[in-house]
Amino acid sequence: NAGVTQTPKFRILKIGQSMTLQCTQDMNHNYMYWYRQDPGMGLKLIYYSVGAGITDKGEVPNGYNVSRSTTEDFPLRLELAAPSQTSVYFCASSSGTGNEKLFFGSGTQLSVL
Amino acid sequence: DQQVKQNSPSLSVQEGRISILNCDYTNSMFDYFLWYKKYPAEGPTFLISISSIKDKNEDGRFTVFLNKSAKHLSLHIVPSQPGDSAVYFCAASFNTGRRALTFGSGTRLQVQP
Repeated sequence: NAGVTQTPKFRILKIGQSMTLQCTQDMNHNYMYWYRQDPGMGLKLIYYSVGAGITDKGEVPNGYNVSRSTTEDFPLRLELAAPSQTSVYFCASSSGTGNEKLFFGSGTQLSVL
Repeated sequence: DQQVKQNSPSLSVQEGRISILNCDYTNSMFDYFLWYKKYPAEGPTFLISISSIKDKNEDGRFTVFLNKSAKHLSLHIVPSQPGDSAVYFCAASFNTGRRALTFGSGTRLQVQP
């Protein structure tokens, strides 16, 4: 029972580089989310999706892009990495039926130097 | 604007005693409240939740209390065990729209043997 799987676990980028953080879930969940967690802070919502082909911005979307071509996958794209994007990134999913918990992946530690 | 606040960054208790973690929120329209537990280098894992129409929910050693008039919830762990040492996040959500979680900044609990 894999749940929510994120890759890679760690990555170091140089300023201006691009990368894609991968997220896949095997629970057939409609709702998927990307959060970032900065040290000493709570998780902040970057983008979310309520189903394949439907995405929308969260509280901190600047510098990121997402796509949702399948129910299972929800990749997060960083186009021009900046030091402010140094953070831990978490992907999560839920069925979207209400009063429910989100299931989280194990996270990606990203450093931009 | 921080809608969910955890004002205690850390808490230390003796094994066997009660741990009480507190959380305040500002939006009275939240439908659902959750507590997540997070170990280092792992994603948050669901612990316990409560609907806004209830004032108490219990699951084994964990009890969550909701005081809607004070916009306050608390998590009680009795008895505390060394394995409970982790960061605890309070979160809140709505039953409509994106159903994303809004997180507090977390409380680090240390249970001393």
